[in-house]
Amino acid sequence: DTEVTQTPKHLVMGMTNKKSLKCEQHMGHRAMYWYKQKAKKPPELMFVYSYEKLSINESVPSRFSPECPNSSLLNLHLHALQPEDSALYLCASSQEGSSSYNSPLHFGNGTRLTVT
Amino acid sequence: GDSVTQMEGPVTLSEEAFLTINCTYTATGYPSLFWYVQYPGEGLQLLLKATKADDKGSNKGFEATYRKETTSFHLEKGSVQVSDSAVYFCALVGQAGTALIFGKGTTLSVSS
Repeated sequence: DTEVTQTPKHLVMGMTNKKSLKCEQHMGHRAMYWYKQKAKKPPELMFVYSYEKLSINESVPSRFSPECPNSSLLNLHLHALQPEDSALYLCASSQEGSSSYNSPLHFGNGTRLTVT
Repeated sequence: GDSVTQMEGPVTLSEEAFLTINCTYTATGYPSLFWYVQYPGEGLQLLLKATKADDKGSNKGFEATYRKETTSFHLEKGSVQVSDSAVYFCALVGQAGTALIFGKGTTLSVSS
C-alpha cells in the first residue's frame, strides 16, 4: 500500500466545472509535489511545495491552482480545464525540502482525470 | 542541462529470462541515480537508488551499478517474472538537488 493517498481515484469533469484533487501523507515529509502524466510518458513536474510554501511552479496554466493547507495535505484546484488536460495526476512527497539522494520521492497512485 | 536517456521499448521477455534496461545520463558533477517502477494503474515506486560512483543499488532481485566512467546506470535482473511487467523509469537528481529528471520510460512485458 502506498503511503501517499490521493482522492478521488477517477474524476470526469466538464470544461466549466470546478473540482479539486486531494493528497495526504503522514510520513512527516516536508516537501510535496504535483506531477502530470500522459499515457506512455514520464511524469512532468507541475508544482513543488517546500515547508508549506510554493517553491516551484513549472509555468503551469492558471486553471490549475495548488494549495497546501498544512504539511500533510496538498490540494490541486481545477477550473475551466481543457480536454488536453486529461491525464493521470500524481502527488508525491519527500522528506527534505527538495528532491535529493537522501530524500527520494514517494508517489501516490494518482487521480485519473478526464475532461469532457 | 541534465538529462536521462533510456533504451526504447517495449521489451518483451519470457519468464526466467535475463533482463537489461539501458540507461545513460548527462549531468555535471555527481548526480544521484534512481530506478522507479510503475505497475499498471498505479503510481511510481522507488525500485533502487545509488548516490555515488560504483555504488550498486538492489531490490527485489533488480540491480543497477552507478558507472561514472560510462555515465550509465543499467537495470538488470537475472530471472524475470510475469509480475515484473511494468514501466521502468530511470531518473536522476542533479548535485544541486534539483527536481527529479526522468527518462522516457521502458515498458517491460513478461509472458509465462
